[in-house]
Amino acid sequence: DVKVTQSSRYLVKRTGEKVFLECVQDMDHENMFWYRQDPGLGLRLIYFSYDVKMKEKGDIPEGYSVSREKKERFSLILESASTNQTSMYLCASTDRGHWYEQYFGPGTRLTVT
Amino acid sequence: GESVGLHLPTLSVQEGDNSIINCAYSNSASDYFIWYKQESGKGPQFIIDIRSNMDKRQGQRVTVLLNKTVKHLSLQIAATQPGDSAVYFCAERGTDKLIFGTGTRLQVFP
Repeated sequence: DVKVTQSSRYLVKRTGEKVFLECVQDMDHENMFWYRQDPGLGLRLIYFSYDVKMKEKGDIPEGYSVSREKKERFSLILESASTNQTSMYLCASTDRGHWYEQYFGPGTRLTVT
Repeated sequence: GESVGLHLPTLSVQEGDNSIINCAYSNSASDYFIWYKQESGKGPQFIIDIRSNMDKRQGQRVTVLLNKTVKHLSLQIAATQPGDSAVYFCAERGTDKLIFGTGTRLQVFP
């Protein structure tokens, strides 16, 4: 089975802090995605990556950056956390030929105070 | 996707009954759709998919129906069980990303 893990299940940070959310997958998938999930808004794509050192903006990249130095790891960075970034963050991965068959991690619930 | 709102629509069903969860999609050119299940505290899990050249697809206790005329998907769960309690949402395949609906919360009561 595909396993996607995220570094923290719950995280509380202060406004202005730099926040790192880590995602690791164990299936040698080329594609990795970061979403945020908010009540009533569904999943919104922040960034995605089709290969190591490659990144593409999704629908809501403002206030975020990403890093993919290794194939199995995709990091989401909040350069200066703000309260409106309080959300559930979900990571997903897929193989190259089936980018739409996304396997999700358990999510990180981030609270920014 | 589904209409955006502050609260998830909720469907309450009795254990053993059939459940029908609906989703409207936005792009008439979408050719592939997926239903996900998200249990409390977990990430979304793939349930079933359907391509636009099909009207119906069946899995184990689940059936997805696609009506392209009105851009509507439905997920039918037969003999609903307590373990089916979750948020369900559909997704359509866009150019290079999935477009997700907002979800419906299914509550199963004894």
